[in-house]
Amino acid sequence: AQTVTQSQPEMSVQEAETVTLSCTYDTSESDYYLFWYKQPPSRQMILVIRQEAYKQQNATENRFSVNFQKAAKSFSLKISDSQLGDAAMYFCAYRRSNFGNEKLTFGTGTRLTIIP
Amino acid sequence: ETGVTQSPTHLIKTRGQQVTLRCSSQSGHNTVSWYQQALGQGPQFIFQYYREEENGRGNFPPRFSGLQFPNYSSELNVNALELDDSALYLCASSLTQGSHNEQFFGPGTRLTVL
Repeated sequence: AQTVTQSQPEMSVQEAETVTLSCTYDTSESDYYLFWYKQPPSRQMILVIRQEAYKQQNATENRFSVNFQKAAKSFSLKISDSQLGDAAMYFCAYRRSNFGNEKLTFGTGTRLTIIP
Repeated sequence: ETGVTQSPTHLIKTRGQQVTLRCSSQSGHNTVSWYQQALGQGPQFIFQYYREEENGRGNFPPRFSGLQFPNYSSELNVNALELDDSALYLCASSLTQGSHNEQFFGPGTRLTVL
């Protein structure tokens, strides 16, 4: 079974600074997807960034980027120029790549606080 | 384009009762997944419906059941409620047409079992 581990229950960062959230996972599959989701107090899960395992290039979305280390099964999220609106729970998630399988396996989350 | 909606927003039930939660998927989507998120935890996969058939299930007992309708909206039913069923229930919809299909989440239903 696949597992996702987030070892940082809470993180804080000064506004405009950079923060990195950690995630490790365990799988025997060679092809899969990894995600970072943001869950603000409104509770709605919002996709931040996605990485396909077969792509060596790290994904980037504006201020958000990942460091994907497939051999180490590590998938960290870097947030640059942190903004107050970035405060939320962040969840790392894994999904197998086979057709029709939408099951996401989530980590336990990291609560990110932005200090003004 | 309408996003994923869920009803009700909040619900309070007593132990032993039954509850039905509803989800309207995003327009054009044919797959709905349900998740249970206990306080302070990440979401746990309950099951998935594709074209009105359950085609994936997590580690949840049979008293958790569901339906998907021809318009691809969905219901989650929980019988014989237990205190541990208190959680945020999230549904997510997607258009299954390849190996990757982005899921869009609804705002959730907060269920409290007393």
